[in-house]
Amino acid sequence: QKEVEQNSGPLSVPEGAIASLNCTYSDRVSQSFFWYRQYSGKSPELIMSIYSNGDKEDGRFTAQLNKASQYVSLLIRDSQPSDSATYLCAVAGGSYNTDKLIFGTGTRLQVFP
Amino acid sequence: KAGVTQTPRYLIKTRGQQVTLSCSPISGHRSVSWYQQTPGQGLQFLFEYFSETQRNKGNFPGRFSGRQFSNSRSEMNVSTLELGDSALYLCASSSLAGVNEQYFGPGTRLTVT
Repeated sequence: QKEVEQNSGPLSVPEGAIASLNCTYSDRVSQSFFWYRQYSGKSPELIMSIYSNGDKEDGRFTAQLNKASQYVSLLIRDSQPSDSATYLCAVAGGSYNTDKLIFGTGTRLQVFP
Repeated sequence: KAGVTQTPRYLIKTRGQQVTLSCSPISGHRSVSWYQQTPGQGLQFLFEYFSETQRNKGNFPGRFSGRQFSNSRSEMNVSTLELGDSALYLCASSSLAGVNEQYFGPGTRLTVT
């Protein structure tokens, strides 16, 4: 079992819709969770960080964390074609990788006009 | 503030050679982490430096090494290059040691022939 799992996609949504990106992690004691966006040929860009259960909103982005289910998600409201990118989930603070960020392989999002 | 800078941006080397990559963190950031990104393996942690000390190391062979200088700039070195070392090498900086919000540089694209 991979430590951080994401559906590779592509996830295709129409412009204006809500895109929902999901991530599960295997280490129950993980403490810190991050979402990065990576455009093709570019480096990852930090979008959101979340550390406690519940929702955290920042503009059109909402991160949701459920530690009991070992699940973290990213919602993008009013999706735009410029949101088309690969979204990477990163997890850290667990039993075996306390200070290391473990990345999922990413979900490719396509927003069509 | 200026972002994370990496040099060179592109590099072509031959098997058996060695290479040194450089990273300058965001001003005031003292932690630098290095990652390797390949299409097959995704983003994988190499090592983290804080205040000139290596705090964490990923599961890479000893051919991969690094160091950090007193001005927080960091270098990583790969000796005896192999074809499989072809990848995008990313450095990320953060203000604190350990896991917290990390900001990536543009990366160095290394091709080994």
